[in-house]
Amino acid sequence: QQPVQSPQAVILREGEDAVINCSSSKALYSVHWYRQKHGEAPVFLMILLKGGEQKGHEKISASFNEKKQQSSLYLTASQLSYSGTYFCGTEPPGNTGKLIFGQGTTLQVKP
Amino acid sequence: NAGVMQNPRHLVRRRGQEARLRCSPMKGHSHVYWYRQLPEEGLKFMVYLQKENIIDESGMPKERFSAEFPKEGPSILRIQQVVRGDSAAYFCASSPNPQGQPQHFGDGTRLSIL
Repeated sequence: QQPVQSPQAVILREGEDAVINCSSSKALYSVHWYRQKHGEAPVFLMILLKGGEQKGHEKISASFNEKKQQSSLYLTASQLSYSGTYFCGTEPPGNTGKLIFGQGTTLQVKP
Repeated sequence: NAGVMQNPRHLVRRRGQEARLRCSPMKGHSHVYWYRQLPEEGLKFMVYLQKENIIDESGMPKERFSAEFPKEGPSILRIQQVVRGDSAAYFCASSPNPQGQPQHFGDGTRLSIL
């Protein structure tokens, strides 16, 4: 039931791009993306509600393929501040409220 | 605008004691969620509450754990007779509606069991 994120870890140089994938075996109502730095709270990045929807947040964008139950997070021209662990949280249909999080993808951006 | 407020930030308990974790949601948010994060792991859903109601407690351990969100005051996550395995970060999140809305997280309570 837990969504699967890939890759598990990424190391980038500043300015490089990265893609983080989130795949679920269950039907989804929405996908939420969060970034968490060590010892801190998860910070909301964006939520995707519709099939094929794309959203953007600074140089971070995401897509959601409702039929495939997959979402991807795109980080372009990465900055040092992008380092952290990225989690996708999947929301099943049915007004449940709860999010089921993937295991996380650790991103390290080096100068 | 105050965000989600959790206290205490750090809590140390000895085995067998009780732990009480508090969460005040963002202003205007009436839906509260508790998540647990073990070291180096992801976030696991525990319970979803509205004012005076537990909506979904499917992630709560069957024993020793309870949660409430009274009409007045913060939401409380209570752990009785704590054991070493309860050591974790406990995060509270809130949203204005239950579905299709961002959940904003508090800074968490780091619980350590001696």
